[in-house]
Amino acid sequence: NAGVTQTPKFQVLKTGQSMTLQCAQDMNHNSMYWYRQDPGMGLRLIYYSASEGTTDKGEVPNGYNVSRLNKREFSLRLESAAPSQTSVYFCASRPGQSNQPQHFGDGTRLSIL
Amino acid sequence: DQQVKQNSPSLSVQEGRISILNCDYTNSMFDYFLWYKKYPAEGPTFLISISSIKDKNEDGRFTVFLNKSAKHLSLHIVPSQPGDSAVYFCAASANPFSGGYNKLIFGAGTRLAVHP
Repeated sequence: NAGVTQTPKFQVLKTGQSMTLQCAQDMNHNSMYWYRQDPGMGLRLIYYSASEGTTDKGEVPNGYNVSRLNKREFSLRLESAAPSQTSVYFCASRPGQSNQPQHFGDGTRLSIL
Repeated sequence: DQQVKQNSPSLSVQEGRISILNCDYTNSMFDYFLWYKKYPAEGPTFLISISSIKDKNEDGRFTVFLNKSAKHLSLHIVPSQPGDSAVYFCAASANPFSGGYNKLIFGAGTRLAVHP
C-alpha cells in the first residue's frame, strides 16, 4: 500500500551540481505533479503531467525539467542547482477525472550549498 | 500576489472544543476547494473538499463552509482531538475545462495545536 513514493528523502548538493528526484505511484493514476514548499509558504506547482506523454508548466518552472517516464513514474531534474532551489519537494498524483483530490508523497528535502 | 490566503499562521484550541480554520481567496474563477492536513516529515493528506455549487460539505467531525460572495471558506473540526494537531492547508482550483483542476493554488497553512 505504498501510494506515492519519492526518492531520495534527503539530499545535499553543491551549487552547480545536477540532480534528479524520482517519483513513482502505484495507484494507476493518470496525472502526476511536482511541488515545492518553502518556509512560510504554501505548496507551489512546478510542473505537471496530465497524462502519460504530456507535461506542462506550473507556477514556478524555471530551473527545472521533468520527464514522464511511463504511467507510474515522473521525475524532476535540476540541471544546475542554485541555493534558491533549497526546498522540500513533493510529488503527487490523482486519477485525472473531474475534481478528484491529489495524493502526495512524503517529500524530498533538498539543500543546496 | 497571493490568490489563496490563510491569515492565521497558528491556532490553539482545547481538546473537545471547536476548531475553526479560515481561508480567503481572490480569484472568482475558483470553483473547487480542498483542505489538506500535514504532519511533520510527511506529505499533505487530503481531508475534505467542496465544489462551488455547494455551501457546505460534511465528513464526520469535519465540515467545510463556502461563502462565495465573500470569497471565504472555513473548516470546522468538532470536537477537536490532540491527533488533529497539524498544519492545515487550504487549496483552490479553477474550471476543469481549462485544465484548471491540475493547478492547485495553496494557502500558506495554519498550524493547529489541540491541547488537553
